[in-house]
Amino acid sequence: GAVVSQHPSWVICKSGTSVKIECRSLDFQATTMFWYRQFPKQSLMLMATSNEGSKATYEQGVEKDKFLINHASLTLSTLTVTSAHPEDSSFYICSARHLRGSEKLFFGSGTQLSVL
Amino acid sequence: SQKIEQNSEALNIQEGKTATLTCNYTNYSPAYLQWYRQDPGRGPVFLLLIRENEKEKRKERLKVTFDTTLKQSLFHITASQPADSATYLCALDFGDDKIIFGKGTRLHILP
Repeated sequence: GAVVSQHPSWVICKSGTSVKIECRSLDFQATTMFWYRQFPKQSLMLMATSNEGSKATYEQGVEKDKFLINHASLTLSTLTVTSAHPEDSSFYICSARHLRGSEKLFFGSGTQLSVL
Repeated sequence: SQKIEQNSEALNIQEGKTATLTCNYTNYSPAYLQWYRQDPGRGPVFLLLIRENEKEKRKERLKVTFDTTLKQSLFHITASQPADSATYLCALDFGDDKIIFGKGTRLHILP
């Protein structure tokens, strides 16, 4: 089946630093990738929809200058948390839809971000 | 207001019994409804998708029903096993790249 690789699995950083998270579709092309964050025992909250070669569409309440998304190719999207603060600590997950229009989403394994 | 609710935060079921999870929604008209499994510290894994014009879908020990009048989906695991213990998420898919997830139900299968 299709595989989405997400790195790093976990990261600890100091307040004020920036963290980049990568999401790659390994064996398929994805025109659209999605970024979510999830707090413990909570639902996946969609942060933004990333389309290859164009600007990401952010959900209401998500700061686009803080959460920079780049979707440079059909297999790679990155999320950069800029000037991270402790309240940004969360589980971040990416997902991708197959280029050929499969309805189901393939998820990465997630990144646990802890900001000290 | 628009809501998606999964019946309970946690559910304990004896091994071998059928586990039934519920997903209710209000003020949405999804094209599809999807179910995912999520293990702790991992990303969700797709299980089943059911379209608005389908009433039931099966895959091995899994069965999903979709009632667009009641705005409800039921997810069944028959002959449950301890390995089925996980959080199960329902998701409303509007067919336009927007998918909304419920909070999930933590299922514990007791040996």
